[in-house]
Amino acid sequence: NAGVTQTPKFRVLKTGQSMTLLCAQDMNHEYMYWYRQDPGMGLRLIHYSVGEGTTAKGEVPDGYNVSRLKKQNFLLGLESAAPSQTSVYFCASSVDGGDTQYFGPGTRLTVL
Amino acid sequence: GENVEQHPSTLSVQEGDSAVIKCTYSDSASNYFPWYKQELGKRPQLIIDIRSNVGEKKDQRIAVTLNKTAKHFSLHITETQPEDSAVYFCAASGSYQLTFGKGTKLSVIP
Repeated sequence: NAGVTQTPKFRVLKTGQSMTLLCAQDMNHEYMYWYRQDPGMGLRLIHYSVGEGTTAKGEVPDGYNVSRLKKQNFLLGLESAAPSQTSVYFCASSVDGGDTQYFGPGTRLTVL
Repeated sequence: GENVEQHPSTLSVQEGDSAVIKCTYSDSASNYFPWYKQELGKRPQLIIDIRSNVGEKKDQRIAVTLNKTAKHFSLHITETQPEDSAVYFCAASGSYQLTFGKGTKLSVIP
């Protein structure tokens, strides 16, 4: 099993450009999450999903959109990237809501 | 919602000494408390967890204790080694998610 995978690993964008980050899991988990990690700020939840076809806002949702069309995939979109969105993005999945989360390897995004 | 406070933010110990990281949480309904280790440039990985019906759990050199009355839990690492150097995150469960502490950067000095 690959576990949780993320593509791409690195990306550089210019202000105003758009992009989509893909998270995939092969563990048949219902719950999936997107976090951003900035120095000294820990892991901040952007959006999450409790099952296929559902999404919900986390702590820092502004400027991001998500979709969960298939159970195994969770997409994070930036419609108009801003320098403040420069960060490392982690995807995670879990069997249940308040349960162990398994993280992907991360995507390092730089917005110039 | 849940609020998790983690202390200290940085911790330096000599190799072979013990390290203790403490977390407090606010929601008395939380019943699952995992600890994650994140090495530089890597993903967070689960190292140990504890559920509310248990007061202490050990796995070789690491242990976690939970005091539900006081709403705090701690990570204990004994006989620290250089490879223990990393950022450690505590977390507490909510209905749909985990709430993470801001992390502790542990440095083990050889």
